[in-house]
Amino acid sequence: GAGVSQTPSNKVTEKGKYVELRCDPISGHTALYWYRQSLGQGPEFLIYFQGTGAADDSGLPNDRFFAVRPEGSVSTLKIQRTERGDSAVYLCASSLAAGAETQYFGPGTRLLVL
Amino acid sequence: QKEVEQNSGPLSVPEGAIASLNCTYSDRGSQSFFWYRQYSGKSPELIMFIYSNGDKEDGRFTAQLNKASQYVSLLIRDSQPSDSATYLCAVRNYGQNFVFGPGTRLSVLP
Repeated sequence: GAGVSQTPSNKVTEKGKYVELRCDPISGHTALYWYRQSLGQGPEFLIYFQGTGAADDSGLPNDRFFAVRPEGSVSTLKIQRTERGDSAVYLCASSLAAGAETQYFGPGTRLLVL
Repeated sequence: QKEVEQNSGPLSVPEGAIASLNCTYSDRGSQSFFWYRQYSGKSPELIMFIYSNGDKEDGRFTAQLNKASQYVSLLIRDSQPSDSATYLCAVRNYGQNFVFGPGTRLSVLP
């Protein structure tokens, strides 16, 4: 079947604006992860969902960041009052279950805050 | 703070040689260990994972884990130019989330 998809692939916004990033996981995958990757760095964990609930949101940097997964499938990462430091590639990954070894990453959304 | 450390590289090896990539981690509670490959501009893809001390082989790749030393490595035998990428080490504890290292850039020279 299809892999993990993310939209948009690129997003340019102005400082202070609100953005939403969408992730469509592989069908049937109950675990979904969000990461942020800056240039030259590894992915930085933000939040993970098991089903509809956020099982661990300890990586969200502050209260401007929020994520939802209302029906246990598609997830949206929401960033309020964007700052230039939020510029990064936002990666989503899904796995069959929370303990599964294999995460499948989406292509990412490249966010640029001007 | 849980940390995973890797040399950023670049590590350059000639084609056909063995590439050795190293990773150390700080959290003794880490349960499982992963190696990902990331080509420039692409997403990470899983190469292999290891849970137990010792070696685990998969084709040209061997992962080695030493929990006492908090050290995990990846060996790539018969390196090919197509292996040129950034290699990311990741660890997972009971909490199920993953902590990634910064990655090591590998360049395999023809």
